[in-house]
Amino acid sequence: QQQVKQSPQSLIVQKGGISIINCAYENTAFDYFPWYQQFPGKGPALLIAIRPDVSEKKEGRFTISFNKSAKQFSLHIMDSQPGDSATYFCAASGGSNYQLIWGAGTKLIIKP
Amino acid sequence: DGGITQSPKYLFRKEGQNVTLSCEQNLNHDAMYWYRQDPGQGLRLIYYSQIVNDFQKGDIAEGYSVSREKKESFPLTVTSAQKNPTAFYLCASSPGGRGETQYFGPGTRLLVL
Repeated sequence: QQQVKQSPQSLIVQKGGISIINCAYENTAFDYFPWYQQFPGKGPALLIAIRPDVSEKKEGRFTISFNKSAKQFSLHIMDSQPGDSATYFCAASGGSNYQLIWGAGTKLIIKP
Repeated sequence: DGGITQSPKYLFRKEGQNVTLSCEQNLNHDAMYWYRQDPGQGLRLIYYSQIVNDFQKGDIAEGYSVSREKKESFPLTVTSAQKNPTAFYLCASSPGGRGETQYFGPGTRLLVL
């Protein structure tokens, strides 16, 4: 019940296309859902985060969609660029969980 | 210039040797974390501390030890009991103990000679 399942493990998208990464959770007490971006050899950095009181949050080309009833949330990258090539992690926290519960990561490659 | 610093960037360990990884933050954050990342893998929590002089084991604490004597500092020691220490080690901090919005350092890559 503590897991966050992330898919796909890897993703190749053409430049200009839409990249979509999905995460699912079981613990209904989770109330904070961030996405992190990590470039090779660097630490992850917060990209965008959402709370369950909204169904969507957009920041530039990055959008989180949240489906509370399905216990799923996803990251959409519009007009994907080669500079978006990185590993993306979803995470969740809330309830008695004082730590972030991490997804396994998605390696995204944007082909020029 | 606020942030999290980790040193060294690369660290080499010999058999039977303990090594210590440094993590310092000047963000005035209460909570600090240590993660291990293996190639192509996700983040696994080693230890975390929500307040000075207190810390808890994460999912893979065996073979590691930590201390939290100062708010700004959370060093990680990889002991000789950790038989497979080769990995990328990441330190993070967050404003409160809740763990939301963690800020990461640049990481230390530990290699075994």
